Amino acid sequence: DIVLTQSPGTLSLSPGERATLSCRASQSVTRNYLAWYQQKPGQAPRLLIYGASSRATGIPDRFSGSGSGTDFTLTISRLEPEDFAVYYCQQYANSPITFGHGTKVDTK
Amino acid sequence: QVQLQESGPGLVKPSQNLSLTCSVSGGSISSGGHYWSWIRQHPGKGLEWIGHIFYSGSPYYNPSLRGRVNISVDTSRNELSLKLSSVTDADTALYYCARGARGTDSWGQGIPVTVSS
Repeated sequence: DIVLTQSPGTLSLSPGERATLSCRASQSVTRNYLAWYQQKPGQAPRLLIYGASSRATGIPDRFSGSGSGTDFTLTISRLEPEDFAVYYCQQYANSPITFGHGTKVDTK
Repeated sequence: QVQLQESGPGLVKPSQNLSLTCSVSGGSISSGGHYWSWIRQHPGKGLEWIGHIFYSGSPYYNPSLRGRVNISVDTSRNELSLKLSSVTDADTALYYCARGARGTDSWGQGIPVTVSS
């Protein structure tokens, strides 16, 4: 199984600041089949990024993804109040599909 | 825009079987290019992929569920089903059905399932 390790576990920032979230895979993610999701309390996850760097439909351009192989990054350029949430990475290259344990972005 | 809605019992006794259904609207489950998934989230925890199926192909399952899981589609009803046998309290979770292609782009609201006698 590909194990995804997300860091940090919690990121405490203020609105307007830049958030940088990391996702490291235990082995190379083929074809960069790596996605990022945002989840708010009581809601289903929402797809933000697929293919490591492609924004999903309707996702603001302050969200960007980068990386390849085993190291991936989600960047939120300027945090808006609605961006405080938990973020998960997921690899869908290999079965079983796996998720990271999440990074919580909360208000400083 | 496709919408997914899970349904089923919210409470299941230990050792019994769990059956959930996902109704798909706004799109056909037999349209090409998508796979249909079940994903669960234990209380206060992260996400666990249970398995997925292409409407015309064989399902893929998480080996951690050790042969207890069955996923199928009913194209005539535009529904996805999950059957999980011999449940224990470790199967208490919020269960989501979802659609995937390039990432998982559509999710149901989730249905909470508690395993308890």
